[in-house]
Amino acid sequence: NAGVTQTPKFQVLKTGQSMTLQCAQDMNHEYMSWYRQDPGMGLRLIHYSVGAGITDQGEVPNGYNVSRSTTEDFPLRLLSAAPSQTSVYFCASSRKLIRGEYSNQPQHFGDGTRLSIL
Amino acid sequence: SQELEQSPQSLIVQEGKNLTINCTSSKTLYGLYWYKQKYGEGLIFLMMLQKGGEEKSHEKITAKLDEKKQQSSLHITASQPSHAGIYLCGADVKTSYDKVIFGPGTSLSVIP
Repeated sequence: NAGVTQTPKFQVLKTGQSMTLQCAQDMNHEYMSWYRQDPGMGLRLIHYSVGAGITDQGEVPNGYNVSRSTTEDFPLRLLSAAPSQTSVYFCASSRKLIRGEYSNQPQHFGDGTRLSIL
Repeated sequence: SQELEQSPQSLIVQEGKNLTINCTSSKTLYGLYWYKQKYGEGLIFLMMLQKGGEEKSHEKITAKLDEKKQQSSLHITASQPSHAGIYLCGADVKTSYDKVIFGPGTSLSVIP
């Protein structure tokens, strides 16, 4: 009964390094998303996916890359880490949002990845 | 600027007092979600509201959706220290694909 699993839980990087934050869910959810949380800013949407092979940008996509090759996995890649990307990153998943119908589903969140860029 | 605003930004109340947190959208609200986050931890789903006028309660927490005002309120009755944390509202946004965005959060402290 894993739900949404994020790895690693903590990471320290040097400026310019690249890395991938992993996110996996075992609920067969179509919709997956990545958020970053900074003090006073709430959760800001980075990228999201409505199904395998389909991704789109959120509010703060610059410096991040995603792909969705399977339903289960939605990795987030930092191309060249910058101190401004120091944050807590959350991955979430839900059943598919259906436009125009009251059938929305709450998102299940992972425990977060705490990332520091020096 | 964020599409979802929350007020107040932070709140300190005495144990036993009632309080209200508001979430206002610049666009039409469809699905509206309330989450709670304890400091340094993950998000806990509280409630989801889908239709104007809908009201839901869980223990001492009640949430309501006012579609005309594009606003949702979260009311806590007789607050307890266990209610302390950050309360986040989220909403479905209809764009090219549907996505969920969040407000900046309201930090609640309850003094015993």
